[in-house]
Amino acid sequence: DTAVSQTPKYLVTQMGNDKSIKCEQNLGHDTMYWYKQDSKKFLKIMFSYNNKELIINETVPNRFSPKSPDKAHLNLHINSLELGDSAVYFCASSQGHLYEQYFGPGTRLTVT
Amino acid sequence: QQPVQSPQAVILREGEDAVINCSSSKALYSVHWYRQKHGEAPVFLMILLKGGEQKGHDKISASFNEKKQQSSLYLTASQLSYSGTYFCGTMDTGRRALTFGSGTRLQVQP
Repeated sequence: DTAVSQTPKYLVTQMGNDKSIKCEQNLGHDTMYWYKQDSKKFLKIMFSYNNKELIINETVPNRFSPKSPDKAHLNLHINSLELGDSAVYFCASSQGHLYEQYFGPGTRLTVT
Repeated sequence: QQPVQSPQAVILREGEDAVINCSSSKALYSVHWYRQKHGEAPVFLMILLKGGEQKGHDKISASFNEKKQQSSLYLTASQLSYSGTYFCGTMDTGRRALTFGSGTRLQVQP
């Protein structure tokens, strides 16, 4: 069984479009995250949620809006996509924020 | 502020050992280590907590110097499967998120 799953795996879209990425975890964890990994492999946190409550919101443009309908799901909606948004986006989960994180397979977003 | 990892890259022969270092300018509660293979997600290896608790991989060891805010990952008798990029993630006291280093690319050759 997949622990942390993301859909879609690949996303190619044009500038100005709006897109969403979905994430689900079946580990029973209470904390979920979104990370962005750029072309230089730098892994940076964007958001974290604990029990559906937003805990961390890094300096991410307002065009990015996370939504957590329940503890097992954390989705990411991106409005008005820009070229600089091209990256791999990873969802992750953990039990509390202190312990090991389990990453989803990633969504490679390409904005043309 | 991002922790500093060294070296940036290392090439080994099978069976050789390697040490990857991670240092932070901030007071740390914990240090995490992850390995990422090309095209895949990061995978948890090791966590070191302030106070000495350690959880992780049975073939990889690590240390955490709380006074110096430094951690080192020790890979002994390397195998081809050890190849990948190793990231340390640090958690500052008072911050509920990891900040990752820029990674160390490790390549193990036959």
